Amino acid sequence: EVQLVESGGGLVQPGGSLRLSCAASGFTFSSYDMHWVRQATGKGLEWVSAIGTAGDTYYPGSVKGRFTISRENAKNSLYLQMNSLRAGDTAVYYCARGSSVNAFDIWGQGTMVTVSS
Amino acid sequence: EIVMTQSPATLSVSPGERATLSCRASQSVSSNLAWYQQKPGQAPRLLIYGASTRATGIPARFSGSGSGTEFTLTISSLQSEDFAVYYCQQYNNWPFFTFGPGTKVDIK
Repeated sequence: EVQLVESGGGLVQPGGSLRLSCAASGFTFSSYDMHWVRQATGKGLEWVSAIGTAGDTYYPGSVKGRFTISRENAKNSLYLQMNSLRAGDTAVYYCARGSSVNAFDIWGQGTMVTVSS
Repeated sequence: EIVMTQSPATLSVSPGERATLSCRASQSVSSNLAWYQQKPGQAPRLLIYGASTRATGIPARFSGSGSGTEFTLTISSLQSEDFAVYYCQQYNNWPFFTFGPGTKVDIK
């Protein structure tokens, strides 16, 4: 079964750091672009970062310089290192697979990140 | 940044009726447009990509159309399991994907 499972969410103070993980199974992980998408409670979806098959990385302005996406193909794992966290980063974080046509065809169940003192 | 808008914000439909959802891009995205369905407490699910191609396992009652800046998702006969929030997403400006704010389809 093709699956993505996130972990690592939790409560963190403003200015703190957190590292999210996403375990992939059921497909050749190294062959796909991967993404992180977040969703604040009751709000819409926001693309947070992408990593290509060659390890190239991309971020929107809202997280650039604070978040780092990485992958470890030998472990079929995707990561998101989040530093200098703010209240506005509070959200459910999903990892998603970029399909061959670039839409996100597989999503994890999400992990909740709460930034609060 | 390509800005996506969706209308209406909420659509009230009776089971068995047709639902038509709209999505507009601030600049042309060609046919690089996807639709997702999200139910409460669940992750989004890909419905349509390439503006009009159904993803694997998606019922034929879901159809997409449009290109450039104007797109439509049509659900031909709403079933109980179709009441959800629907998001459009452009992926023309890879990888700087942007989503629309969503349309909630609820029971009339």
